[in-house]
Amino acid sequence: DTEVTQTPKHLVMGMTNKKSLKCEQHMGHRAMYWYKQKAKKPPELMFVYSYEKLSINESVPSRFSPECPNSSLLNLHLHALQPEDSALYLCASSQGLAQETQYFGPGTRLLVL
Amino acid sequence: GESVGLHLPTLSVQEGDNSIINCAYSNSASDYFIWYKQESGKGPQFIIDIRSNMDKRQGQRVTVLLNKTVKHLSLQIAATQPGDSAVYFCAENNAGNNRKLIWGLGTSLAVNP
Repeated sequence: DTEVTQTPKHLVMGMTNKKSLKCEQHMGHRAMYWYKQKAKKPPELMFVYSYEKLSINESVPSRFSPECPNSSLLNLHLHALQPEDSALYLCASSQGLAQETQYFGPGTRLLVL
Repeated sequence: GESVGLHLPTLSVQEGDNSIINCAYSNSASDYFIWYKQESGKGPQFIIDIRSNMDKRQGQRVTVLLNKTVKHLSLQIAATQPGDSAVYFCAENNAGNNRKLIWGLGTSLAVNP
């Protein structure tokens, strides 16, 4: 099973809302990632978790708050977002940071109004 | 059909022809390279990878070639099918960059029936 699942598939939220994106993998991977992708652009790294600890934060605004409750789950909490935050949010996982192949989920399409 | 990813972001080929998608990478220290396929509305899908100690690797209908002298990577798709229509991203990776993926801009492949 090489599947990474993400929920919801689509999300529309206002700038004052609080919402969460969820990601799950059951491959025993110990590294998990959040990416943001704008149309016709490559994914941009946001956060990396390794063994459930935040390893990399790519200077992401604090209105995005990641959480890794356990080795299979990764959340991204959203609060007070801006319209320019509208994008496809992708979760990925890999065996470890030294194992470079990252497997991606289908993404959550986020629209901020 | 053939493309240079940075200069021709769209490649159009006839069904059954071979496709070549090119990528120029930036860092001579990069030691791991990956090709991803991203269909519309989906997350990137791992296709094939290659390490810097190799210059060619073959998969099912796909071949990746690595030329470290000129820092060039290519993806060859044999007998291109309509289901191959997607955006293809190359990505490079090295230990000196915390193993973060550095993505190419992507090439859109359109297969004409």
